[in-house]
Amino acid sequence: AQSVTQLGSHVSVSEGALVLLRCNYSSSVPPYLFWYVQYPNQGLQLLLKYTSAATLVKGINGFEAEFKKSETSFHLTKPSAHMSDAAEYFCAVSAGSNYKLTFGKGTLLTVNP
Amino acid sequence: GAVVSQHPSRVICKSGTSVKIECRSLDFQATTMFWYRQFPKQSLMLMATSNEGSKATYEQGVEKDKFLINHASLTLSTLTVTSAHPEDSSFYICSAPLAGDLSDTQYFGPGTRLTVL
Repeated sequence: AQSVTQLGSHVSVSEGALVLLRCNYSSSVPPYLFWYVQYPNQGLQLLLKYTSAATLVKGINGFEAEFKKSETSFHLTKPSAHMSDAAEYFCAVSAGSNYKLTFGKGTLLTVNP
Repeated sequence: GAVVSQHPSRVICKSGTSVKIECRSLDFQATTMFWYRQFPKQSLMLMATSNEGSKATYEQGVEKDKFLINHASLTLSTLTVTSAHPEDSSFYICSAPLAGDLSDTQYFGPGTRLTVL
C-alpha cells in the first residue's frame, strides 16, 4: 500500500519569496514520486519526478524537489515565487509497474504581490 | 510529445440522461488509460483503469454499470456516465502512461466538467 501526505492545504507567499511545499510518502517498495501542478479548470501538468536516479530532481519553471529516504519526504521548492506559480500542487507516489498513482490532497499556492 | 486530449471540455445534461467523455492520446499509443474524478477543492480519485482490448478494472466503490468504460483502440478510451444524477457532477480527468516507460509517469488530459441538472 502507498499513501501521500501533503502538509498544508494552503500556502501563501510573497512574490520573490521561497516556495516550500511539503510532501511525505509511505510505500512498501522503492517509490516513484511526482509533483504535478493544476491550474483552474485544467488537467495536471508534470513538474518533476523522482525515479531512483539523482535524489535532487530539477523540474520545469524553476522548481526542484529532493528525495530523502530517511525522512520519507519529497518536498517541492522554488527559490523565488512568481505570480504565475499560483496554482494547486499535487504530490503523487507510484510503487510499481502497474502505473497507478496515489495522490495527496493537494496544496493551493497563493502568491501575493 | 505525450499529449492527451479530452472531449468535451464541458457538458451540461439533464438528470437521467447518459453522457460520453472521450480521452485520446494524440501522439503515442496507450494500452492503459486511467479515469479520475475530482470534486471541488479535492484531490483526484482514481475511478478505473481502462485496458485496450479487455475489461476495465474499477476501484472499490465505483459502480461499473454506471460508469461504462470502453478502450476500443490504442489511442481512445471512453467513459460513459449512465443515468446521470446531480451527485455525478464533477471534473473528470483521464491520463495515460507511455508504454514501456518504467517510471510510471502519467500524462493527463485537460479534464471534462460535467454538470447534471
